[in-house]
Amino acid sequence: NAGVTQTPKFQVLKTGQSMTLQCAQDMNHEYMSWYRQDPGMGLRLIHYSVGAGITDQGEVPNGYNVSRSTTEDFPLRLLSAAPSQTSVYFCASSNPGGYNEQFFGPGTRLTVL
Amino acid sequence: KQEVTQIPAALSVPEGENLVLNCSFTDSAIYNLQWFRQDPGKGLTSLLLIQSSQREQTSGRLNASLDKSSGRSTLYIAASQPGDSATYLCAVIWWGNKLVFGAGTILRVKS
Repeated sequence: NAGVTQTPKFQVLKTGQSMTLQCAQDMNHEYMSWYRQDPGMGLRLIHYSVGAGITDQGEVPNGYNVSRSTTEDFPLRLLSAAPSQTSVYFCASSNPGGYNEQFFGPGTRLTVL
Repeated sequence: KQEVTQIPAALSVPEGENLVLNCSFTDSAIYNLQWFRQDPGKGLTSLLLIQSSQREQTSGRLNASLDKSSGRSTLYIAASQPGDSATYLCAVIWWGNKLVFGAGTILRVKS
């Protein structure tokens, strides 16, 4: 049981480049979400999904795109990278219900030059 | 808008001390509250989940309490050890399992 996995661990992009951050979970969780962590700002929600085919915006969605075609995968796409998107990105998964413990991946550290 | 505040921002204690980390939130309409630990350059490790119907939850030397009506949670660490040094994050869980995080408490336990 690998839990929540994220690839790559590190990435350096140039301004204007696009890329996809991968996230996968093997716990059959319905809910998945993406957060970014910045010094002094804490963790903030980018996008989330409550099931395959259903996504919605979080607090800081601009410049990011998501889709959820399977229960297991929830990729985050940067359409045209900007230096302001330099951050550490975390993916999380959970199930609905009373005991909705959140499980996080190890993160992707992204630098945009 | 839900806001989560953690006090203190940083804490340095000698080994063996018992300590309390505080978390407050502005909107009591939460589902649950979860405490995490984060080591430098690493991901988030779940410590405790307190359901909104519970008052407290215990795991080993950790005890977390929740008072929804006053918008407060505390994390109590007994007999602190140098290995407890990390950043501790509090997060409230809203509908859709969305989390709102506090900025964290940086804990240093000196040997």
